[in-house]
Amino acid sequence: GNSVTQMEGPVTLSEEAFLTINCTYTATGYPSLFWYVQYPGEGLQLLLKATKADDKGSNKGFEATYRKETTSFHLEKGSVQVSDSAVYFCALRINAGNMLTFGGGTRLMVKP
Amino acid sequence: EPEVTQTPSHQVTQMGQEVILRCVPISNHLYFYWYRQILGQKVEFLVSFYNNEISEKSEIFDDQFSVERPDGSNFTLKIRSTKLEDSAMYFCASAGTGDTGELFFGEGSRLTVL
Repeated sequence: GNSVTQMEGPVTLSEEAFLTINCTYTATGYPSLFWYVQYPGEGLQLLLKATKADDKGSNKGFEATYRKETTSFHLEKGSVQVSDSAVYFCALRINAGNMLTFGGGTRLMVKP
Repeated sequence: EPEVTQTPSHQVTQMGQEVILRCVPISNHLYFYWYRQILGQKVEFLVSFYNNEISEKSEIFDDQFSVERPDGSNFTLKIRSTKLEDSAMYFCASAGTGDTGELFFGEGSRLTVL
């Protein structure tokens, strides 16, 4: 079946540190890959996505590259801010439609 | 900015009771979803709804669950006879199109079954 595995959190970083949140997937077909973010008191919102191998999604300084050879979609940011503190969810979608398979979420805490 | 709103934010109920969770999707969206997250586990798909009918549902969405769009704005999830294992955060989501993967989620309704 399809599944997404994320590194467990919480991840605690100081402001301006480099961030990597690992995400790997198992899929029966060729998925589209997503990162969603949930800020405190808000719903999940799409951060970035990539629809085919070697695509790079980027938004708000975050990047993730679709690596088919390693079945990964790791989230990176060069310099995190306190305002990036949130829970980050990696997800995949196999077919057309909006049924997403999510990972467990990784909580990021950034300290000043 | 348009947003998806959910009520209640937290509901506590006794096992065997019926629960209705309510959602107001973004007004011009046509696709509606329920997901849930049991504490410490993954966010799981429950059901999708389009054109006044269920378009997809997961194994979790058994006969105890139902969804309805009773008017032009609300989208509800009903659990007929709650079980302890139904305790979770339930997320409503909506989308303007059916195949981009971009969903707009509400803040969630936490259901606690005692």
